[in-house]
Amino acid sequence: GQQLNQSPQSMFIQEGEDVSMNCTSSSIFNTWLWYKQDPGEGPVLLIALYKAGELTSNGRLTAQFGITRKDSFLNISASIPSDVGIYFCAGPLPTQGGSEKLVFGKGTKLTVNP
Amino acid sequence: NAGVMQNPRHLVRRRGQEARLRCSPMKGHSHVYWYRQLPEEGLKFMVYLQKENIIDESGMPKERFSAEFPKEGPSILRIQQVVRGDSAAYFCASSPLNRWVPLFAFFGQGTRLTVV
Repeated sequence: GQQLNQSPQSMFIQEGEDVSMNCTSSSIFNTWLWYKQDPGEGPVLLIALYKAGELTSNGRLTAQFGITRKDSFLNISASIPSDVGIYFCAGPLPTQGGSEKLVFGKGTKLTVNP
Repeated sequence: NAGVMQNPRHLVRRRGQEARLRCSPMKGHSHVYWYRQLPEEGLKFMVYLQKENIIDESGMPKERFSAEFPKEGPSILRIQQVVRGDSAAYFCASSPLNRWVPLFAFFGQGTRLTVV
């Protein structure tokens, strides 16, 4: 089935450092989504990208939709301890019945040392 | 996402028992999705339901798993005769539309099932 390849799998950084992670697919997506999952919680939407080449920011987070529509990256600037968590890329695919289901990458686990 | 309520948050079952996971969607949402997250993995789609209808169950294992979303009450994911491999976090998401509109679709906090 459809797969999203996310890298790196994990990152250990010092507070204040910038972080970059990316996501690639063998197929085209029309929307790219980035979610964060805190320990013991469900995913929460960080950024949604709808257009190839689009660059969108949400506070210290910036994400870009690749022009080939097969990749996306997420940057976090000046990391802080509460950035700890797992970051997932996701994209919607059609389901039976005319809806859309999300396919997720395996996640990038971020640890921030104070 | 606090509006999508899942319970219980944690569930422990012995092998062979039944597990019932409940999901109350956000108010006004009539579309429910169930996803499963194995340890160190991303979420994987299981089933999409509208009120009283299963629309897409292509991600559900063929045996022992079933889901419903009755006219009244929460959506239920039922796992019969659980095995150790069923241990995972199960997430429900709800949407007001039959498309995944990111700004209006939300996940619950999940039910963590442990089979001993």
